[in-house]
Amino acid sequence: GESVGLHLPTLSVQEGDNSIINCAYSNSASAYFIWYKQESGKGPQFIIDIRSNMDKRQGQRVTVLLNKTVKHLSLQIAATQPGDSAVYFCAENYDGGFKTIFGAGTRLFVKA
Amino acid sequence: NAGVMQNPRHLVRRRGQEARLRCSPMKGHSHVYWYRQLPEEGLKFMVYLQKENIIDESGMPKERFSAEFPKEGPSILRIQQVVRGDSAAYFCASSPQRSQETQYFGPGTRLLVL
Repeated sequence: GESVGLHLPTLSVQEGDNSIINCAYSNSASAYFIWYKQESGKGPQFIIDIRSNMDKRQGQRVTVLLNKTVKHLSLQIAATQPGDSAVYFCAENYDGGFKTIFGAGTRLFVKA
Repeated sequence: NAGVMQNPRHLVRRRGQEARLRCSPMKGHSHVYWYRQLPEEGLKFMVYLQKENIIDESGMPKERFSAEFPKEGPSILRIQQVVRGDSAAYFCASSPQRSQETQYFGPGTRLLVL
């Protein structure tokens, strides 16, 4: 069945280092992928998205890479800061579908 | 431009009572989505609504749960005869267009059933 999963439930990085959060998806028909950040007690916040016709997209300090061959998605955060500590969810949306399917999330800890 | 608003932020109910959760989408958004999140888990889709229409309720339990998005006023997620297993955070999101447009989330309502 379709699912979005994450490789690592917890990631701990040193402040200033780069973070890489990985995600696997199973539906090759998925056309749109999103990364959300959820801080404790808050709703998910959009970070960056990418469509299936792209391999890479950059934002401010964040980069999303999409490898359709192995159905893998990653979020790279440059110069990680304490404020980046949160749970990060990848999500996929099927072309023409109305639902966004979320993975279980990766908790990012940033050590000062 | 206010974001998605949800109230109450916290709701405590005893088993058998009704829970009513409200969501006001962002200004100009006519599409509302409800999700449920258990602790340390991802968000599970429940229902997608447009004004006065339920578009997709495939993620919503068949019994006790209902949702509406009237022409005027907020979207309402209603849970009747709550049970302890209904305890969760319920998030509402809205978007200006369906499907692939980004969904903007509210702060959630945390429901605790005693």
